[in-house]
Amino acid sequence: DTGVSQDPRHKITKRGQNVTFRCDPISEHNRLYWYRQTLGQGPEFLTYFQNEAQLEKSRLLSDRFSAERPKGSFSTLEIQRTEQGDSAMYLCASSLGDPGQGLNQPQHFGDGTRLSIL
Amino acid sequence: QKEVEQNSGPLSVPEGAIASLNCTYSDRVSQSFFWYRQYSGKSPELIMSIYSNGDKEDGRFTAQLNKASQYVSLLIRDSQPSDSATYLCAVRGTGRRALTFGSGTRLQVQP
Repeated sequence: DTGVSQDPRHKITKRGQNVTFRCDPISEHNRLYWYRQTLGQGPEFLTYFQNEAQLEKSRLLSDRFSAERPKGSFSTLEIQRTEQGDSAMYLCASSLGDPGQGLNQPQHFGDGTRLSIL
Repeated sequence: QKEVEQNSGPLSVPEGAIASLNCTYSDRVSQSFFWYRQYSGKSPELIMSIYSNGDKEDGRFTAQLNKASQYVSLLIRDSQPSDSATYLCAVRGTGRRALTFGSGTRLQVQP
């Protein structure tokens, strides 16, 4: 299977604890994205990497959130001092770089990590 | 006004009928438009992309884009019960890498 892989699939933790999620993108994809999705809503953008560089961050990404992609391959998303409002599905997506001429490569999503805060 | 708006549904159609899903967006200079299908508890799955005005067909799916009206739609012909899912419209604006999603339309295909 060469799709986007996320680990763990589910995480249950107590409020105030730190959690870390991992994403392995499709191997030839140099772009990696994190989104968050709550029930009844579409995914909301959190942050974007091109290779190892974090090029864009959403206002949603508070200082309790940090993401890395140290070697331009897998990425981690850490949430410190978790709060009830952090309960959501955290989705990772990856894509190739754009070929130009107004075309944009589609993003392919992993199965997500469902975070539940007790 | 939300950046990407969809009717939440549910949209209920009988098996074999055409399902029509609609989406409007506010950023006039948006470049790329995508439709994703999401089954309950699963991740979004890309089904169509469209970049220029007009229609784009892929099997039973047709995406339609009208940039002047800031409107994109998805038609599903010969709807099957397995098409029952939430359909997410996603838009990518100029100079941005992130997608902006609508809240999705829930489609129910009745056998």
